[in-house]
Amino acid sequence: KAGVTQTPRYLIKTRGQQVTLSCSPISGHRSVSWYQQTPGQGLQFLFEYFSETQRNKGNFPGRFSGRQFSNSRSEMNVSTLELGDSALYLCASSFRLARDTQYFGPGTRLTVL
Amino acid sequence: GIQVEQSPPDLILQEGANSTLRCNFSDSVNNLQWFHQNPWGQLINLFYIPSGTKQNGRLSATTVATERYSLLYISSSQTTDSGVYFCAVGTGYSTLTFGKGTMLLVSP
Repeated sequence: KAGVTQTPRYLIKTRGQQVTLSCSPISGHRSVSWYQQTPGQGLQFLFEYFSETQRNKGNFPGRFSGRQFSNSRSEMNVSTLELGDSALYLCASSFRLARDTQYFGPGTRLTVL
Repeated sequence: GIQVEQSPPDLILQEGANSTLRCNFSDSVNNLQWFHQNPWGQLINLFYIPSGTKQNGRLSATTVATERYSLLYISSSQTTDSGVYFCAVGTGYSTLTFGKGTMLLVSP
């Protein structure tokens, strides 16, 4: 069974631009969660989607948004990029909600110049 | 929200040594998971262990939910065990809250 895939793996953007990251969960998994990892703040929860509905949202500004499609694939979007948005963005999938075993993708490393 | 503290923050071992990593949490949980992040950033789920004891090869974990802590044991460590170990907890239907991790370096 294929694991969680994330595209692109690396991304370089400049301040003010916007970016869209994609996550494909393990086949059969309906829950997708997104996390931001930085050296200073560690791993922080962004959002959780289940059956195309956002179930939980972390403490991030409205510039961060996401959605989930009927095939459970998910995208997250960051608008008006800031230098502080440079981070590793990780996606995790699980069969049900986040209280199930979480399986992480390899991440997208975003650099904002 | 729930607080998660991991200790020690850093650990250096010789290959073949054993180690114990600890995770303390501030509230009752119904979800506790241990992860290993390798040097390339990939997070691997090691255990889903809200209570009790589990073993997987050289790794084992014990969670004492009533006392709000979990332990991860690594025996006969290998250089491939190097990386960061995270404990993450959840309560009710909430998502996971991660600790800051224990960085482990195993030298040959």
